[in-house]
Amino acid sequence: GAGVSQSPRYKVTKRGQDVTLRCDPISSHATLYWYQQALGQGPEFLTYFNYEAQPDKSGLPSDRFSAERPEGSISTLTIQRTEQRDSAMYRCASSPGLVTGELFFGEGSRLTVL
Amino acid sequence: SQQGEEDPQALSIQEGENATMNCSYKTSINNLQWYRQNSGRGLVHLILIRSNEREKHSGRLRVTLDTSKKSSSLLITASRAADTASYFCATAYTGANSKLTFGKGITLSVRP
Repeated sequence: GAGVSQSPRYKVTKRGQDVTLRCDPISSHATLYWYQQALGQGPEFLTYFNYEAQPDKSGLPSDRFSAERPEGSISTLTIQRTEQRDSAMYRCASSPGLVTGELFFGEGSRLTVL
Repeated sequence: SQQGEEDPQALSIQEGENATMNCSYKTSINNLQWYRQNSGRGLVHLILIRSNEREKHSGRLRVTLDTSKKSSSLLITASRAADTASYFCATAYTGANSKLTFGKGITLSVRP
C-alpha cells in the first residue's frame, strides 16, 4: 500500500476483554515494528518482525501481549484480558531493510480500556 | 525503557528564530534518527545520521553527532509556526539490530 495502515483507529473495550489490532505495512517492507505510546511520552518498543520471523519481543509487557506476522506482511497485536493500564496508543511502523533505517509510521490505534 | 534523553523538555520560540534540541544516549550506536510528531499524529522521519558521520543537513534541518560525548543536536533554522510539534530522537544501538529506541521527546512551540 501507499502507507502504513492501522485498524481500528479507536477501540474502547471493557477490562478483561481481548483486543486485536491490525497493521498493514508498506508493500515489500521487510521489517515491521510495534510500539506503545502513552500520552506525552515517546514510543516504547514492544516487538519487531523481519518478514515472518520475530527476533525480539523483549518489549512486550506481559504474556498477555502477543504479535504475529504469519506471511511476512500484515501483522496483528493481540492483548488478552485487557487491563486499564493497557490504555495507550499502539503504533506500527515498517522499514524497507533488515538493518535499522528510516521507519514509516501509521496513524496508530488508540486503545481505551474501561 | 527509553534510552535517549532529549533536552530541553519544552521549547518556545518566536517565528524566524532558530531552535536547538539536544539528545544524549548511553551506549554505542549504529545510527541516530530524529522524528517529528504533530498533535498525536503518526511520527514522521526527519533525518538519519550514522555513527561515522558528524554533521548532516536537510533543508532547514542540521543534525550533528558527537560519539565521544554520546550526544546529538537538531537545529531548525528560521523556524515557522508549522514547525510546532514534538520532536524525538531515536537510536539504533550496536548489537540491537533493527531495534530503534525513542526518547521522551521535546515539545517545540513556535509563536507566530
